[in-house]
Amino acid sequence: LAKTTQPISMDSYEGQEVNITCSHNNIATNDYITWYQQFPSQGPRFIIQGYKTKVTNEVASLFIPADRKSSTLSLPRVSLSDTAVYYCLVGDPRDDKIIFGKGTRLHILP
Amino acid sequence: DAGVTQSPTHLIKTRGQHVTLRCSPISGHKSVSWYQQVLGQGPQFIFQYYEKEERGRGNFPDRFSARQFPNYSSELNVNALLLGDSALYLCASSIRDRGLGLNTEAFFGQGTRLTVV
Repeated sequence: LAKTTQPISMDSYEGQEVNITCSHNNIATNDYITWYQQFPSQGPRFIIQGYKTKVTNEVASLFIPADRKSSTLSLPRVSLSDTAVYYCLVGDPRDDKIIFGKGTRLHILP
Repeated sequence: DAGVTQSPTHLIKTRGQHVTLRCSPISGHKSVSWYQQVLGQGPQFIFQYYEKEERGRGNFPDRFSARQFPNYSSELNVNALLLGDSALYLCASSIRDRGLGLNTEAFFGQGTRLTVV
């Protein structure tokens, strides 16, 4: 399974765009990139998933360069409620388990 | 529609005891997975069940076991509890069926907070 590296923590301000980058140098051909968000004492929540180029949904965008060795989660105009831990996961969706790393603790300041 | 429900929400046990945690998946989801999350760490995969069969197992001792019932609900059992078993135990369900192609979003419950004293 591909190992991921992401910043341990980040601070930003309300209204800003936040970009969290994840490195996954040994990503395999069948691997997808998935991001989850987790609030304290809650289970993780799926945010977005992609394979290549750019994916956008109502809450975030995911940018994946051509070599797929990294990816960037972009959160537009963050609010205090976006304070959470964000996990980058890389794996074959047909596998039977999800491997979480340590995640990025995002703290949004007023 | 109800999400993934776990019971109990909190539990205190003493060392050496046994515990059973329960999970009801989202209606229509046949896959259930269990995770252990120690404070400050990401969730660690324990088990995955699909159609009542174990499909995956993480690096946990044999004290940990699980099963899935015909209605797709699941139990996680932990024997001979250790202090280090104190954690948030998360259950996730998904449609995940290899035959249906890629449907990979996992829906997590709120978890069971287990404290071993």
